[in-house]
Formats: sequence, structure tokens, C-alpha cells
Amino acid sequence: GAGVSQSPRYKVAKRGQDVALRCDPISGHVSLFWYQQALGQGPEFLTYFQNEAQLDKSGLPSDRFFAERPEGSVSTLKIQRTQQEDSAVYLCASRDRGRETQYFGPGTRLLVL
Amino acid sequence: GNSVTQMEGPVTLSEEAFLTINCTYTATGYPSLFWYVQYPGEGLQLLLKATKADDKGSNKGFEATYRKETTSFHLEKGSVQVSDSAVYFCALRQGAQKLVFGQGTRLTINP
Repeated sequence: GAGVSQSPRYKVAKRGQDVALRCDPISGHVSLFWYQQALGQGPEFLTYFQNEAQLDKSGLPSDRFFAERPEGSVSTLKIQRTQQEDSAVYLCASRDRGRETQYFGPGTRLLVL
Repeated sequence: GNSVTQMEGPVTLSEEAFLTINCTYTATGYPSLFWYVQYPGEGLQLLLKATKADDKGSNKGFEATYRKETTSFHLEKGSVQVSDSAVYFCALRQGAQKLVFGQGTRLTINP
């Protein structure tokens, strides 16, 4: 079946601009995760949803970052007033109920100029 | 807090060489351990996993054994191929849902 998809794949933003990144998880997957991957580093956790409930947002770096999953399926990560340090690849992953494995999307590469 | 430390790269080997990528972790209790691989231009894919001490995960000729006494989960392959060129990430999950990743090791295999 279809995997996790993310859009856009690439986004160039001017500093101060707001951006919205979309994640379509694998159909039926209850859990959804967002990670941030800086160049040359491993992914770092941002936030986690179970269905529409955001159960952990401890990794969001500032109040400029906001994520939602209103119907328990598609999720959007929004970054307000982007800064250069927000430049990274943003990864989405989903996981089926009761399973261990997270399945990752291809990521959105964000470049803030 | 929980953390993962990986062998620094890049690692360059010739085809058919033996591969080891070291991974050690810090965690309280007994985390689940994973190796993910990122091929050029593709997303992260699970390569193998182990959920308890002394378990061995294996896939595509790669193996890793969960060693509680040394808090390690080293990745090995007996004979690498050019197609194994990728970035490899060690990760753990304990209790909380999130994965904690190492910094990644870039592997290049020359023909």
C-alpha cells in the first residue's frame, strides 16, 4: 500500500515568512510523529499524536512551531516567522496500533533565507 | 536522559569487506533498539530491531545484537556491496513513544 507522503518536498522561505508542512500517514495508522533533521545530524523528535490528540510536544523548539491533526489522519506542522536556524529536513512518521515500527516519509527540506 | 552515540563517519570500504558500525546507548531500564538506513534520495527505512537483551536483529545480511552489559547495538555485515552505500542511524525507544537517534554514519562502498 501507499507509504507516508509529505508535501511540499522542498520549500524555500524568506526569514519571517510562515510555512505549513503537510504529512499524509499510512491509512489507518493511529500514531503520527514529527522529527527535525539538521544537516549531518540524526532526526530529533518534535511532537507526537495519537489519533487527533497531541500527547507529547516536548520537542517543539519554540512557540513559533505548532502542529495539528484535527481528524486523526493528515497532520500539518506550521512554523511562524521562520528563522534561518529552522532550515532542516522535517520528517513525518506513522505507526500502526500496537506495533513497534515507525514508517517515515521522504521529508520536507526547508531552507530559510 | 536517553541518548545514542554512533561511530563517527564517513566510513569508506571496498566491496566484500567486513563492516562494523558501533553504537552505544544510555538509558534507564530496557529500551528497544533499532537501526534505520537512509539511501540517497530516499526516506528513512527500518533495517532491523531488537526489543530485549541478547536479541539479534537481522535483515539483508546485516546483524546487530542487543548487549545489555556493554549497552551496545553494533551493526555488522560480513560482505558489503556497493548498494549498501547509505547513511545508517542507530536509535532507541523506551517507554515514551518517540525515537532517539544517533548522529548517523555515512557509509560508502567502492567497487
